[in-house]
Amino acid sequence: DTGVSQNPRHKITKRGQNVTFRCDPISEHNRLYWYRQTLGQGPEFLTYFQNEAQLEKSRLLSDRFSAERPKGSFSTLEIQRTEQGDSAMYLCASSPGGVQYFGPGTRLTVT
Amino acid sequence: QQQVKQSPQSLIVQKGGISIINCAYENTAFDYFPWYQQFPGKGPALLIAIRPDVSEKKEGRFTISFNKSAKQFSLHIMDSQPGDSATYFCAATLVGGYNKLIFGAGTRLAVHP
Repeated sequence: DTGVSQNPRHKITKRGQNVTFRCDPISEHNRLYWYRQTLGQGPEFLTYFQNEAQLEKSRLLSDRFSAERPKGSFSTLEIQRTEQGDSAMYLCASSPGGVQYFGPGTRLTVT
Repeated sequence: QQQVKQSPQSLIVQKGGISIINCAYENTAFDYFPWYQQFPGKGPALLIAIRPDVSEKKEGRFTISFNKSAKQFSLHIMDSQPGDSATYFCAATLVGGYNKLIFGAGTRLAVHP
């Protein structure tokens, strides 16, 4: 399968714990996006990487959130001190420029 | 100014009927308007897209109609099939905005046999 992959697919954590998600984009796609989708809503933009450079961050991305894309390949999204409001689907998309191809998402549940 | 408003929230159509989903936007700097289809447990997948210099685009059973003056665009699904049952999102991207997608809230479509 050469699509965007995300791991884990599901994560249940207790409030206050840290979690990290991984996204593996389609090979050679230099653009990578993270979005968050809550139940019954459309995805909301979180952050954008072009190669290894993080070029844009939404104000939704509080200080508890950090994203990296070392060497311009896979990306990680870390949430520190999780809160119940962080419960959502976290989607990653990659693009060669133009169309964005989404992964299946990581569903986070904070109890 | 960043919002894209989508309606209806849910839609039930009989097999063979036409499904119509509408979106409206405020920001005239938007320059690309895609529609995404999402099945449960999957990420959104691009269905069809249009740029504002075109009033209509058709791909198979899917058509986008675009009204630049009204700042509205719509998705028409002709001959709707049960396999089309999914959530549909309209979206828009900003000029110079790194192509980040701004999504509508989604329409849950159910096509009954």
